[in-house]
Amino acid sequence: GNSVTQMEGPVTLSEEAFLTINCTYTATGYPSLFWYVQYPGEGLQLLLKATKADDKGSNKGFEATYRKETTSFHLEKGSVQVSDSAVYFCALSGGDMRFGAGTRLTVKP
Amino acid sequence: ETGVTQTPRHLVMGMTNKKSLKCEQHLGHNAMYWYKQSAKKPLELMFVYNFKEQTENNSVPSRFSPECPNSSHLFLHLHTLQPEDSALYLCASSQSRTGDTRNIQYFGAGTRLSVL
Repeated sequence: GNSVTQMEGPVTLSEEAFLTINCTYTATGYPSLFWYVQYPGEGLQLLLKATKADDKGSNKGFEATYRKETTSFHLEKGSVQVSDSAVYFCALSGGDMRFGAGTRLTVKP
Repeated sequence: ETGVTQTPRHLVMGMTNKKSLKCEQHLGHNAMYWYKQSAKKPLELMFVYNFKEQTENNSVPSRFSPECPNSSHLFLHLHTLQPEDSALYLCASSQSRTGDTRNIQYFGAGTRLSVL
C-alpha cells in the first residue's frame, strides 16, 4: 500500500540556517504529495502541495519538488526563523491520505 | 481559522466519566475523520465518515463511539477510558473520501484529553 517515510527528528537549527527535511514515498500510480505543519497547540495546516512529477510546491519560503525518479518530496527553506518551530508532516494521496510520522523542528535565536 | 471547529479544546475526565468531543466543519465537505495524536507516536486514523456513513474503523476500542448526524458534524463519545487514552484528538474534513486533491484534509485545533 501507499506509505510515506520522513526523517526522524528532532531537528534543531539556528535562526537563518538552511533547512532540509527528507521525505520519501511508496505508492502505486501517481499520487499528489503534501507537506503539513503543526504549530504548538494547533491542528495540522496544509503548507504546500504538488500534484505531478517535477511540480514544485511553495509557501512562506518553504519549497518541495516532486521527484518521481527518486520518489522523494524533500522540504527546504533557505533561512529559517524562530516562528518556523513546529512539527512538519509529509503526506500523500492517491486514494486515502497517508501521513508520515512527523519531524519536530526547533529554531533557536 | 481552517473552517473546522473542535470543542472543547481541553478536557479532563476520570475513568468512569462519559463525555463527548464535538467537531463542526463549515467547508461544505462530505468526509470527516477522527485522529488520535499521542506524544512520540505517528498520527493514528481512528474513524472515517463519508456522506454520514462510517467507512473505516481502525480497530478502535469500543470505549470510543463515533457519531455523524450530518455531513457538518462529527462527535466522539467517550466512556470508561483508560489513562493511555490521554492524547490530542484531531478532527479533519475533506471534500471527498478519495481523489488526489479533493481529499486534502483540513484539521481542527484538536481536543487535548487527559484521563485521570
